[in-house]
Amino acid sequence: ELKVEQNPLFLSMQEGKNYTIYCNYSTTSDRLYWYRQDPGKSLESLFVLLSNGAVKQEGRLMASLDTKARLSTLHITAAVHDLSATYFCAVDIPSGSRLTFGEGTQLTVNP
Amino acid sequence: DAMVIQNPRYQVTQFGKPVTLSCSQTLNHNVMYWYQQKSSQAPKLLFHYYDKDFNNEADTPDNFQSRRPNTSFCFLDIRSPGLGDAAMYLCATIRWQAGANVLTFGAGSRLTVL
Repeated sequence: ELKVEQNPLFLSMQEGKNYTIYCNYSTTSDRLYWYRQDPGKSLESLFVLLSNGAVKQEGRLMASLDTKARLSTLHITAAVHDLSATYFCAVDIPSGSRLTFGEGTQLTVNP
Repeated sequence: DAMVIQNPRYQVTQFGKPVTLSCSQTLNHNVMYWYQQKSSQAPKLLFHYYDKDFNNEADTPDNFQSRRPNTSFCFLDIRSPGLGDAAMYLCATIRWQAGANVLTFGAGSRLTVL
């Protein structure tokens, strides 16, 4: 059974600081997704990582994938309040078309 | 424009009273999913369709059923809702984005059970 673990689960940080969220998964997969969820809202796709060494950046967020270590990171640079949300990583099982989600990291950026 | 549309956005029901949630998609994709997300938890896959081929997750309770009358529409039926079924129900399909198939979610239907 595929397991996806994120840490930390809760992250409170100050504006302007940097931090990294980690996502580990237990089964071979070369497709990893990051989603953002605001309170009471649905999930918004942020990044799709499709191969070992893939790196994607959008604004203050950068995601990377190491398939050998079964690890993805979501790095936050110079955080701003608008980044406050819950971030989920999700992994596609090898047979495809079904995602397993991590527990989510609830990020709060304080002024 | 919304590609996955869910109705109703909010549903209140009584314990044991059947509920139907609907989902439509404009992407004309052959795959549709239903996820359940309880408060402060990760989304959990209930079932998915590949065309009309229904795929139930092993731990999805029998209380949850689904119908897909055509490519565009999918329904989630909860036959006898219990208090533990209060959750956000998310419908999803697949969209081509940034060179990959990406699961794209509707806005969700939040179910309250009294």
